[in-house]
Amino acid sequence: GENVEQHPSTLSVQEGDSAVIKCTYSDSASNYFPWYKQELGKGPQLIIDIRSNVGEKKDQRIAVTLNKTAKHFSLHITETQPEDSAVYFCAASPNPSTYKYIFGTGTRLKVLA
Amino acid sequence: EAGVTQFPSHSVIEKGQTVTLRCDPISGHDNLYWYRRVMGKEIKFLLHFVKESKQDESGMPNNRFLAERTGGTYSTLKVQPAELEDSGVYFCASSQMAYYGYTFGSGTRLTVV
Repeated sequence: GENVEQHPSTLSVQEGDSAVIKCTYSDSASNYFPWYKQELGKGPQLIIDIRSNVGEKKDQRIAVTLNKTAKHFSLHITETQPEDSAVYFCAASPNPSTYKYIFGTGTRLKVLA
Repeated sequence: EAGVTQFPSHSVIEKGQTVTLRCDPISGHDNLYWYRRVMGKEIKFLLHFVKESKQDESGMPNNRFLAERTGGTYSTLKVQPAELEDSGVYFCASSQMAYYGYTFGSGTRLTVV
C-alpha cells in the first residue's frame, strides 16, 4: 500500500547548524508534498510544500527538495534556532482526487543552545 | 481569522463508553478532514468531507466510528463503544480549496482505559 518513510526519528543539532530530514514515498502518482511542524500542545502547522513539477523550493531558512525519479524529498533548515525545536512531519498526496495525505512517522528535532 | 477548533482537548473514558469529538473548521472552508495519530506512529487519514458529504472515508477503522457534518459546518466524530486501541490524538483539519495545505486544529487526546 501507500506509505511514506521518514528519517531520522530524532535529530539533535547545535544552534546555528543545519538540519536535514529525509522522506521516501512509495506511490509514484504522488504529486504534492507538504511539510508540517508540530510544537508541544499544538496541531501540525504547514511550513512549506512542493509540487511534483518543481525540484526545489525555498522560504527563508527552510527549503525542500524533490527527486521524483528516486521518490525522495527532503527538508533543509539552515541556521537553526531553539524555536525550530519541534516534531516535523512529511506527507505525500497520492491521489489528487481524494486529497488525503500519507504522513511519515515524524522527526523530533532538538536545537541545542 | 479564527483557526480550526477542536473540543475537548483531552478525554479519558473507560472501555465500552461512548465519546464524541467536535471540530469547528475555519469559516468558509468546505473541506474538512479527520486524522488520528497513535502514540509514536504516523498521522493517519480517517475521512474527508466536502461540505456535508463524505468524499472519502476509506481510513475509518471500523463501524464503531461515525463521523457527521451537519449543514456543512462543524463536524463530530463519535466512537461507540470505545476500545483500548482507539487511544491517540485525533486531529481535524480544514481547507478552502482541496489540494492546498490543510490547517490543523490542536487535536483531541483520547485515552481509553
